[in-house]
Amino acid sequence: DAGVIQSPRHEVTEMGQEVTLRCKPISGHNSLFWYRQTMMRGLELLIYFNNNVPIDDSGMPEDRFSAKMPNASFSTLKIQPSEPRDSAVYFCASSPADRVYEQYFGPGTRLTVT
Amino acid sequence: ILNVEQSPQSLHVQEGDSTNFTCSFPSSNFYALHWYRWETAKSPEALFVMTLNGDEKKKGRISATLNTKEGYSYLYIKGSQPEDSATYLCAFQGSARQLTFGSGTQLTVLP
Repeated sequence: DAGVIQSPRHEVTEMGQEVTLRCKPISGHNSLFWYRQTMMRGLELLIYFNNNVPIDDSGMPEDRFSAKMPNASFSTLKIQPSEPRDSAVYFCASSPADRVYEQYFGPGTRLTVT
Repeated sequence: ILNVEQSPQSLHVQEGDSTNFTCSFPSSNFYALHWYRWETAKSPEALFVMTLNGDEKKKGRISATLNTKEGYSYLYIKGSQPEDSATYLCAFQGSARQLTFGSGTQLTVLP
């Protein structure tokens, strides 16, 4: 199994630009999580989906952030417009229905907004 | 807001030393407690998932214990090696699926 796949691995963009991060969960997993890791706040949950439906988006910082999961094998996290304080590593994780305790993390996308 | 705290924040030990660190978490609505190992520039790697009070798990030289009644877990590393250097994260899983992470303990094992 390829594991959780994220793209791009690195993104550098200018303030005000739209940024789209992508995630492909492990095949057969039915829950998907987006996390953000910063020095100040550590690893924090932004949003999670169960069976493609957003369950809890209380961690999304503000309206500039949006996430979608159009099907079981793909999710996006979009920031529009981006700001320098959005610079962080964004992780996607997925978990299987029959092992609800387990989350498998992707390699992360390092976002730098200048 | 759930309070998941880890101590110490960072730790330097000599190769061969044994060490341990603590994770404290809410004692109500407990579902599971996770330990992850996170090396720089890599993604967090799951070490243990513990669900029952009194659980003890072991993987090689690393072991963990769980006390859900008082809300703490210990992670132990016996005979630390330089390759054990990483950040060790614990995460509390309540009645919902999402994890709330602690800030981690950064371990450096000096050769």
